[in-house]
Amino acid sequence: AQSVTQPDIHITVSEGASLELRCNYSYGATPYLFWYVQSPGQGLQLLLKYFSGDTLVQGIKGFEAEFKRSQSSFNLRKPSVHWSDAAEYFCAVGGRNTGTASKLTFGTGTRLQVTL
Amino acid sequence: DSGVTQTPKHLITATGQRVTLRCSPRSGDLSVYWYQQSLDQGLQFLIQYYNGEERAKGNILERFSAQQFPDLHSELNLSSLELGDSALYFCASSGYGTGAGSYNEQFFGPGTRLTVL
Repeated sequence: AQSVTQPDIHITVSEGASLELRCNYSYGATPYLFWYVQSPGQGLQLLLKYFSGDTLVQGIKGFEAEFKRSQSSFNLRKPSVHWSDAAEYFCAVGGRNTGTASKLTFGTGTRLQVTL
Repeated sequence: DSGVTQTPKHLITATGQRVTLRCSPRSGDLSVYWYQQSLDQGLQFLIQYYNGEERAKGNILERFSAQQFPDLHSELNLSSLELGDSALYFCASSGYGTGAGSYNEQFFGPGTRLTVL
């Protein structure tokens, strides 16, 4: 069974500081990994995705994530956080689309608070 | 804007009632997924449809059902509602891969917030 662990429920950083949100996954085959962001009262927006190839992937809004197979991790990073980055962040894992279901399994989320 | 639309945005109803949530996928997407987001369960996959056929089921209660119509829009029906069904219900859509190992990312709608009183 696939699963995702986000060990940090809540993180507070100062504006301008760097950010790293942790994500560990469990998946029986090659995983497809995603980070989504959810602002209060909003839907889920895709920040970035990893399918294959370069293990460092760039996303929108200055975010990046690194896939480390040996550690089963896909941590999200940003060098300098902006106040508008305050939101909830979800890591998700999915499988290959071989004609069967390709559901996403989400972690419990990390709520990011940014102080000015 | 993801291109996925969901109606209504908010729904308030009473226990024991039945409601229908509607989703229109992105143009050209054949797969529709339903997810439930609640405080105690987090984001959970409910069910997937592909081109009108049920493709996979997740943690979906027997009181819940869904269908996808020929125009590809989907409806999630929730019946005999309980207080614990209060949640945000998301619909997502994706295309379909054309080869082994292909994957299509899911685009999420804004959600329908259901409150059961």
